[in-house]
Amino acid sequence: DAGVTQSPTHLIKTRGQHVTLRCSPISGHKSVSWYQQVLGQGPQFIFQYYEKEERGRGNFPDRFSARQFPNYSSELNVNALLLGDSALYLCASSSYSGANTEAFFGQGTRLTVV
Amino acid sequence: AQSVTQLGSHVSVSEGALVLLRCNYSSSVPPYLFWYVQYPNQGLQLLLKYTTGATLVKGINGFEAEFKKSETSFHLTKPSAHMSDAAEYFCAVSDPRLGGSQGNLIFGKGTKLSVKP
Repeated sequence: DAGVTQSPTHLIKTRGQHVTLRCSPISGHKSVSWYQQVLGQGPQFIFQYYEKEERGRGNFPDRFSARQFPNYSSELNVNALLLGDSALYLCASSSYSGANTEAFFGQGTRLTVV
Repeated sequence: AQSVTQLGSHVSVSEGALVLLRCNYSSSVPPYLFWYVQYPNQGLQLLLKYTTGATLVKGINGFEAEFKKSETSFHLTKPSAHMSDAAEYFCAVSDPRLGGSQGNLIFGKGTKLSVKP
């Protein structure tokens, strides 16, 4: 079975631009979460979606938004990019949102803002 | 608010030596606790978790961790390091009051483990 897939794997954007990152969860998984991992730091929680509804939001500005589609795939959108948005963006999926359900991580999208 | 502190951003051990990676947490209620491993250019993989019950938990690849409430710690150990253990390790917590979801985790800054031949 395919794992969590994220696209693109790498991209470079200019300050002020907009970016859309995509995540396809493992088949059958209904929960998707997004994390930002700045170089040298641990991942920081951005959003969690379960059954297409937002279940949690981290401490990120309104420039960050996300949604989950009927097929449970998800998009993370970032507007008005700043240099500080350069990071590895990780997507994780799980079958539901409880503690005893393992979250599986994708390999991430490396975003560089210049 | 919950937080996680990993002591030592970089730990180096010899092959065959004991691995000890330290994690302390701050939480108003006993959290759920997790250790993840990240290999270069990879996502994170769950090593082990503690939610309730036995405080000594065993994970994959010979790793184990013990939840000590009195010390607010959840240190990761492995009796004998292998070259393939070289990676970055992250301790994480979730809040049981919010369902304790593994999709909503607070991570430490990570500890990079090097294994010398």
